[in-house]
Amino acid sequence: DTGVSQDPRHKITKRGQNVTFRCDPISEHNRLYWYRQTLGQGPEFLTYFQNEAQLEKSRLLSDRFSAERPKGSFSTLEIQRTEQGDSAMYLCASSLLAGGNEQYFGPGTRLTVT
Amino acid sequence: AQRVTQPEKLLSVFKGAPVELKCNYSYSGSPELFWYVQYSRQRLQLLLRHISRESIKGFTADLNKGETSFHLKKPFAQEEDSAMYYCALSWGGSEKLVFGKGMKLTVNP
Repeated sequence: DTGVSQDPRHKITKRGQNVTFRCDPISEHNRLYWYRQTLGQGPEFLTYFQNEAQLEKSRLLSDRFSAERPKGSFSTLEIQRTEQGDSAMYLCASSLLAGGNEQYFGPGTRLTVT
Repeated sequence: AQRVTQPEKLLSVFKGAPVELKCNYSYSGSPELFWYVQYSRQRLQLLLRHISRESIKGFTADLNKGETSFHLKKPFAQEEDSAMYYCALSWGGSEKLVFGKGMKLTVNP
């Protein structure tokens, strides 16, 4: 296990297209988080899962965004009808429920919407 | 709303100089505070958190509830400390992190 992985690492898409990102957390971690980071900003929380349950969603997560974690392992984040404002780094993190909230981050997926 | 403020975007010092990276937060309850670091071409990683009260890589941070601050300090900076540093806050069991905008530390030889 080499830590949290994300795929793809880079994605260029045209406005209006749908994109899907994947996150594989550290295997025994039951919590999984999605964040978004734009240039010059810190990561902003989007949503998180405990096992397969999505427990919280940010108001940043418009109805064009959907996240799933169907078996409590990997997660996907889909953006429908992408807009230029969606261009950002999408970060995934995972943690153990009893781990004192130490979140381990993946390398991120950089999305560019043209 | 909960907020984390890192008032300085850039800090450049010479090797061996002391450094202090400032972090202020707004939250009326009992927060949990963290410092995350991102070295060049690496992923974001936890540096330290206030509940552990540890010194990591020579860095320390003390939670001051009166001043709502959690400044990161190191008495003698090293070149390998050059990185982006983010202060973050969580609260109330939600476990989500609210980050500051980050600060770039450059330690010159």
